[in-house]
Amino acid sequence: NAGVTQTPKFQVLKTGQSMTLQCAQDMNHEYMSWYRQDPGMGLRLIHYSVGAGITDQGEVPNGYNVSRSTTEDFPLRLLSAAPSQTSVYFCASSYSIRTRPTGEQYFGPGTRLTVT
Amino acid sequence: DAKTTQPPSMDCAEGRAANLPCNHSTISGNEYVYWYRQIHSQGPQYIIHGLKNNETNEMASLIITEDRKSSTLILPHATLRDTAVYYCIVRVAYKGSARQLTFGSGTQLTVLP
Repeated sequence: NAGVTQTPKFQVLKTGQSMTLQCAQDMNHEYMSWYRQDPGMGLRLIHYSVGAGITDQGEVPNGYNVSRSTTEDFPLRLLSAAPSQTSVYFCASSYSIRTRPTGEQYFGPGTRLTVT
Repeated sequence: DAKTTQPPSMDCAEGRAANLPCNHSTISGNEYVYWYRQIHSQGPQYIIHGLKNNETNEMASLIITEDRKSSTLILPHATLRDTAVYYCIVRVAYKGSARQLTFGSGTQLTVLP
């Protein structure tokens, strides 16, 4: 199993540009989520999905869109990049509550995004 | 989530057991103890979890006291690659559909050669 994979590893954007961060998992996990991690701020939940076709907002959703057309993939779109979106982005996945009630989460290696 | 207290830093000699403590005196009966770690510049990594029994997997052992007010994560033979920040989280297994994970300040474990 590759686990949770993320691409790209690094990205530099100019203000106003858009891009998509890719996340995929091969563990047949129903739950997937996106976090951002800023120095001294801990993890903040951006969006999450409990299954294909279902997404919802987390703590800091503004400026980001997601969709979940397959179980495996959960891309995060930055609509118009801003310097405040400079961060490290992590994707995570987990079994559904029905399958694994304890809900431990598995993270990808992260994408380091800089917006200038 | 129940409040947890961890020492800010610990050192361990390579090859020795690393014992990382966590206090969670306000834990409720339905709350689990989870351990994650984050190696510098990498994604967080799930290690182990438990409710009241001791648990062991290929990465570590988790010892939970009988009153469940504290626990210890044991890495039996620490290597340099185990240098990381270790987070103890106490929460109910199912906390709404968002399942947001919140890391505290954790313990910086440094494995020394």
